[in-house]
Amino acid sequence: AQSVAQPEDQVNVAEGNPLTVKCTYSVSGNPYLFWYVQYPNRGLQFLLKYITGDNLVKGSYGFEAEFNKSQTSFHLKKPSALVSDSALYFCAVRDDASGATNKLIFGTGTLLAVQP
Amino acid sequence: GAVVSQHPSWVICKSGTSVKIECRSLDFQATTMFWYRQFPKQSLMLMATSNEGSKATYEQGVEKDKFLINHASLTLSTLTVTSAHPEDSSFYICSAGGTVNQPQHFGDGTRLSIL
Repeated sequence: AQSVAQPEDQVNVAEGNPLTVKCTYSVSGNPYLFWYVQYPNRGLQFLLKYITGDNLVKGSYGFEAEFNKSQTSFHLKKPSALVSDSALYFCAVRDDASGATNKLIFGTGTLLAVQP
Repeated sequence: GAVVSQHPSWVICKSGTSVKIECRSLDFQATTMFWYRQFPKQSLMLMATSNEGSKATYEQGVEKDKFLINHASLTLSTLTVTSAHPEDSSFYICSAGGTVNQPQHFGDGTRLSIL
């Protein structure tokens, strides 16, 4: 069965410092991985995805993520955090062995708090 | 980029009433839309997959008669919470579009409060 784990409920980082939000996954086939961000009382905004190719994926707002097949991880990173990055971040996966469905499996979310 | 519009953004109503939430894809057609429920400080729970022209596919534990889904056109899906009670109060989010390797696009959500 597909699953996604975000081991940290909250990540605190000072503005200007690098940030990492962790995500690990489990699928039976090849993973299609996504990161989304959610601001209060809003829907989810797409940040970036990994489908195939380069393990380092660059996305919106300066975020990037590194796909690591051996560790089944897809951690979200940013070299220099901004206060405005404070939000709830979700990792999601689809399994190419799951058939035609494009249903996403979400992690539990990580609240990123960037202190000025 | 693709836009998904969700309406209303906030609704407060009395216990026992029915509430309809609309999800529209504004610049693309969506044969499939998804409805999620989110509790405070928790992840999204997929409620059902809305299929244009056919019955919705509900996730285990979701009451079909309680949460009615209609997907009558390629740009509109509706979720009706019937005979709503305070425990139905939640944040409901829809998504549309995407393929297996393309991202879904999310509406801005509907905050439902049942008094």
